[in-house]
Amino acid sequence: QSALTQPASVSGSPGQSITISCTGTSSDVGSYNLVSWYQQHPGKAPKLMIYEVSKRPSGVSNRFSGSKSGNTASLTISGLQAEDEADYYCCSYAGSSTSWVFGGGTKLTVL
Amino acid sequence: QVQLQESGPGLVKPSQTLSLTCTVSGGSISSGGYYWSWIRQHPGKGLEWIGYIYYSGSTYYNPSLKSRVTISVDTSKNQFSLKLSSVTAADTAVYYCARDHGGNSGFGYWGQGTLVTVSS
Repeated sequence: QSALTQPASVSGSPGQSITISCTGTSSDVGSYNLVSWYQQHPGKAPKLMIYEVSKRPSGVSNRFSGSKSGNTASLTISGLQAEDEADYYCCSYAGSSTSWVFGGGTKLTVL
Repeated sequence: QVQLQESGPGLVKPSQTLSLTCTVSGGSISSGGYYWSWIRQHPGKGLEWIGYIYYSGSTYYNPSLKSRVTISVDTSKNQFSLKLSSVTAADTAVYYCARDHGGNSGFGYWGQGTLVTVSS
């Protein structure tokens, strides 16, 4: 059982927008602006897409955006493309004794 | 551009110690300011943070694995290592080494991962 809760799957058609939620607690997501999101294609290492809730690393498309409200963080992908089909994981800092916790992952299908 | 590469045995016997090394290129571990992590992914499952070492040598571990984990750094070889003791089949996973993006804000650089199977 993962510390952060994500939907198992989401889907959307090309060009549409989707949002993936990531629900934690007041000890992790709710306490720190250190939520990050990762994209993982089959057989590949995860790739950082969003850090510090809403910041994009250099080279990541501005179609990816992040936000947070209370204990829930969200990743939104606009203008869906076939290459966005992948697994997505959220991650949050949870304090010095626990450090980092991940969500269980969400499989995005582009219809 | 920082690159990381995991190496170590792909098969470990139950009750033994799993040992992996991550070799860093394109940047020096001792140059400062970064956290060097180990993260694993059980087959078909999600990600699990194992722990990390700060460039100064301070270590932080996942409480669920803390009693069995040791992460160390060898700055002369620009490598950091993972040791996980008393392994069982439940430790079978792909193990990744990673570096934070900067400011301990997320895992920005990853190795390709290495599958370690625990089996007799």
